[in-house]
Amino acid sequence: QVTLRESGPALVRPTQTLTLTCDFSGFSLSTSGMCVSWIRQPPGQALEWLALVDWDDEKYYSTSLKTRLTLSKDTSKNQVVLTMTNMDPVDTATYYCARTPYHFDTTAYFTIDYWGRGTLVTVSS
Amino acid sequence: DIQMTQSPSSVSASVGDTVNISCRTSQHINSWLAWYQQKPGTAPKLLIYTASNLQRGVPSRFRGSGFGTDFTLTITSLQPDDFATYYCQQINNFPLTFGGGTKVDI
Repeated sequence: QVTLRESGPALVRPTQTLTLTCDFSGFSLSTSGMCVSWIRQPPGQALEWLALVDWDDEKYYSTSLKTRLTLSKDTSKNQVVLTMTNMDPVDTATYYCARTPYHFDTTAYFTIDYWGRGTLVTVSS
Repeated sequence: DIQMTQSPSSVSASVGDTVNISCRTSQHINSWLAWYQQKPGTAPKLLIYTASNLQRGVPSRFRGSGFGTDFTLTITSLQPDDFATYYCQQINNFPLTFGGGTKVDI
């Protein structure tokens, strides 16, 4: 059974750094083709893909946020950590982590097949 | 970045109706498109991947089609459980961008 759970502060002050942790079970990030993504969703707005770390520890980031984002993984703990610097009220959102397997059979693509429940982060002074 | 444009942004429908949701991409992406369903207060759920392949457990009334830059999610015989917001996402090029969403309501 695949599960993911996000944890971190519910309230962050402007200019602070946000650190979110994704604890997962039911799969391993050391398995070839396995990845974990972070996605966020401001209240009432659309989904925004933020970042992905793959089984080989390659990391990929949103173009607009890449200077502020850092991903790390701890395979032994089944954990992925996202940090976002210089938080602003516009970063108020529900942050999701999600399993994102890379399929490379006849073609190559990702799917986001299991999601955590998300954690709401509010940025306010 | 590949831009994703969904239309309409919202649609009103009734149980039993057929609904079509469009997703257009700013670049040719072959069939590398997924569709997700999201209900209020819950995480999105994968419905379709590679434009037309149904995720395991998803009812066959959901159908995806398209190739290149134009894609469609069709929901036939709309059920009460289908009233939700739907998102497309391109699934091959980083960043893995989402569309703006289409809300299907009664």
